[in-house]
Formats: sequence, structure tokens, C-alpha cells
Amino acid sequence: GAVVSQHPSRVICKSGTSVKIECRSLDFQATTMFWYRQFPKQSLMLMATSNEGSKATYEQGVEKDKFLINHASLTLSTLTVTSAHPEDSSFYICSAHRGQYEQYFGPGTRLTVT
Amino acid sequence: AQSVTQLGSHVSVSEGALVLLRCNYSSSVPPYLFWYVQYPNQGLQLLLKYTSAATLVKGINGFEAEFKKSETSFHLTKPSAHMSDAAEYFCAVSERGKLIFGQGTELSVKP
Repeated sequence: GAVVSQHPSRVICKSGTSVKIECRSLDFQATTMFWYRQFPKQSLMLMATSNEGSKATYEQGVEKDKFLINHASLTLSTLTVTSAHPEDSSFYICSAHRGQYEQYFGPGTRLTVT
Repeated sequence: AQSVTQLGSHVSVSEGALVLLRCNYSSSVPPYLFWYVQYPNQGLQLLLKYTSAATLVKGINGFEAEFKKSETSFHLTKPSAHMSDAAEYFCAVSERGKLIFGQGTELSVKP
């Protein structure tokens, strides 16, 4: 149990286009999901907390107009990188909150902006 | 604010040797602590967690960690390393539902 999927696993897009990444909890409902960004050889940086049915809460320094988050159902959160630029290239990981303390992570999405 | 510090960005052990990955935390309240493992180009997998129950926590794949309040530590150990243990390991503390991660420790296992 506690499986989280992400789609796509890899995406290459041109500068200026938008990319949507989906995060799904497959066998449990998650009112809260989280989006992280990870640079090579570095730790995970929390970008935002996605709450079902309400606006996402963004961490300081994260542009909410650039990284649009929608949590439309208890099993799906999406991250849209708008007007992507090469500096947005990164590994994006989502997690879903379950129980009192635990987060279960998706496999990640490698975004490359050319 | 809570934080975790992982001592050593890279640890190398021989196959069959003891694995010790260090994590120290800073918290003004009783912490909830976690160890995650990440294989290349993958997400994170929970190894074990401490949530104020037993101080010695056993996890998956033969790993365990001991919560020591006096030392503010939560070190991860495994008695005998296996080649498949080579990965990145992250210690994390929960703060109001959010996870605060350490910098990570890359574990290499030599044959």
C-alpha cells in the first residue's frame, strides 16, 4: 500500500512552453500533497504544500505564478511549470501525506528545458 | 525552526562491513524523525521512522536507528552492508507536517 505515481517520468520541452506534471496517490486518499525540487547531488527543497480543495501554500522564494499547483481531488495534484526556462530544469518529486506523520514519495519527474 | 544535519556527504564501506550514517537534529519539541533512501533517478523510500515510541527503531532492509535525546542524534546503522545498499540517504524531521531534510549522505559499498 501507499503507492504514489508521477507522470511523466521524463519530459523535454522548449523554452517558453508550459509543462504539467501529475502526482497521484494510487491506493489511498491524500488531502495534502507536497512538491519538491531536487538539483543534482543535492537535497530536496520543498516548493509548496498542495491542499485538496484549497489554494496551495508556497515556500518562501517560490514563484506561485510560475509553478501552478492544483489539487482537484483526493488522489491527484498537478504542478504546471509555466513559461519554462532552462533554469527550471530539475528533478521534481511529489509526496502524499498519509496518517499522522508519513509522506510517501512519487518516483520523480526529470524536466529538461531546451 | 527544526533542522537536521547529516555528518559526511559521502560514506564508503566494504561489503559486509558496518554501515553508520550520522544524523543530528535540532528541535524545541519532541521530534518526529525519518530516514529515507533514494536510488538514482528515483523518488524516496521510507526506511524507518521515530515517533516518540521505542527509541530503537527497526526499518526495512536490515536498517535500524536509535533516537538519543541526550545527543540529539538519530544515526542509521546496518550490521552488514550489501552492494544493493549503495544509494543516497536522507534524514528528515517533521515540522507541522512538512519534512525538513538533511543534506544527504551518499553511501558507496565496495566489493
